[in-house]
Amino acid sequence: QVQLVQSGAEVKKPGASVKVSCKASGYTFTSFFVYWVRQAPGQGLEWMGIINPGDGTTTYAQKFQGRVTMTSDTSTTTVYMQLSSLTSEDTAVYYCARDLGRVHFDCWGQGTLITVSS
Amino acid sequence: QSALTQPASVSGSPGQSITISCTGSSDDDYKYVSWYQQHPGKAPKLVLYDVGKRPSGVSNRFSGSKSGNTASLSISGLQAEDEADYYCTSYTSNSPVVFGGGTKLTVL
Repeated sequence: QVQLVQSGAEVKKPGASVKVSCKASGYTFTSFFVYWVRQAPGQGLEWMGIINPGDGTTTYAQKFQGRVTMTSDTSTTTVYMQLSSLTSEDTAVYYCARDLGRVHFDCWGQGTLITVSS
Repeated sequence: QSALTQPASVSGSPGQSITISCTGSSDDDYKYVSWYQQHPGKAPKLVLYDVGKRPSGVSNRFSGSKSGNTASLSISGLQAEDEADYYCTSYTSNSPVVFGGGTKLTVL
């Protein structure tokens, strides 16, 4: 079955970077875009960016431009999201989600809690 | 401030019906709208896409509609398991995805 499995929770210090992985299985990895969405504690969903695993092209939300990098590895069917210059405001659960098109996210990863604390 | 506006909360008793609205600006047509259900500590789950289509496995108690720049999610025959947060999603001329602020559904 279609599945996205994310890496585990991490605690980071302010100013550090974090890299979250999202391993896809059960479908043709290169055929569907993957979105990254985050959710701060008690808050709503926030779009961060999109990656086309087929060719690695990305689109980032303006808020994260210059701080986020999304990559894909077709050999391991894994997409990655790296966020740098972390602050306490980056404390959130980060999700990857497969897009079937037209904001139709049919499969989500389980989420990865990133805590930024000194 | 979210690009899509939802009520912060709605409530209903078991067996009743509720509707959650999702309103965007008049600058975009929001042709495609999806709705996601999120239980505490869980990932969002798709319950409607393309305004009113249900994925396989989603109860037919969930339905969707759109009029102008307002989409709506309706749930009939409320059940305790429907208690969750609900988010609408669409895209605009300025962004490939926009989320509503979320609505907390309480089953009384």
